[in-house]
Amino acid sequence: GAVVSQHPSWVICKSGTSVKIECRSLDFQATTMFWYRQFPKQSLMLMATSNEGSKATYEQGVEKDKFLINHASLTLSTLTVTSAHPEDSSFYICSARDRLAGSVYNEQFFGPGTRLTVL
Amino acid sequence: AQSVTQPDIHITVSEGASLELRCNYSYGATPYLFWYVQSPGQGLQLLLKYFSGDTLVQGIKGFEAEFKRSQSSFNLRKPSVHWSDAAEYFCAVGASSGTYKYIFGTGTRLKVLA
Repeated sequence: GAVVSQHPSWVICKSGTSVKIECRSLDFQATTMFWYRQFPKQSLMLMATSNEGSKATYEQGVEKDKFLINHASLTLSTLTVTSAHPEDSSFYICSARDRLAGSVYNEQFFGPGTRLTVL
Repeated sequence: AQSVTQPDIHITVSEGASLELRCNYSYGATPYLFWYVQSPGQGLQLLLKYFSGDTLVQGIKGFEAEFKRSQSSFNLRKPSVHWSDAAEYFCAVGASSGTYKYIFGTGTRLKVLA
């Protein structure tokens, strides 16, 4: 149980184009999903918290107009990198928190990641 | 402010040797603590977690970790390392309320010598 998928697993795009990454909770409902960014040989940096049916909460320094997050259902959140540039190339990882989990068990389930390369 | 420190950026051990990866945290309330492993180009795999109760936690792949509140530490241990354990290891602390965010440490890269 508690499986999170991401699609695509890797994507190459041209500079100036937009790329959408999907994050799905496969066997549970997630009111909260998180989007992380990881540069090579570095740790995960939280970009934003995505709440179903409401606007995402972005971390300081993250451009909300560049990284559009939509959490339209309890099993799907999307991250769209708009007008991508080479510096946006990175490994993007999502995670999801089970809707039924109370505060006692704060556990995130992680997706396998999406590698974005912008040429 | 909440933070997680992994003092060792790189650790090299011989196969069969014991391993201890250090993790120190700063958190105002009771923390939820996690250890993850990441192989190159892969996602995160949960090794073990601590929410409450017994301070010695057993995980997968023969790993264990001990929560020491007095030292604000949650060190990961393995009695005998296998070559397949070579990877990046991340310690994380989770909030017990509010946003439920995780804060990750900077990671420790483990190299295993044959």
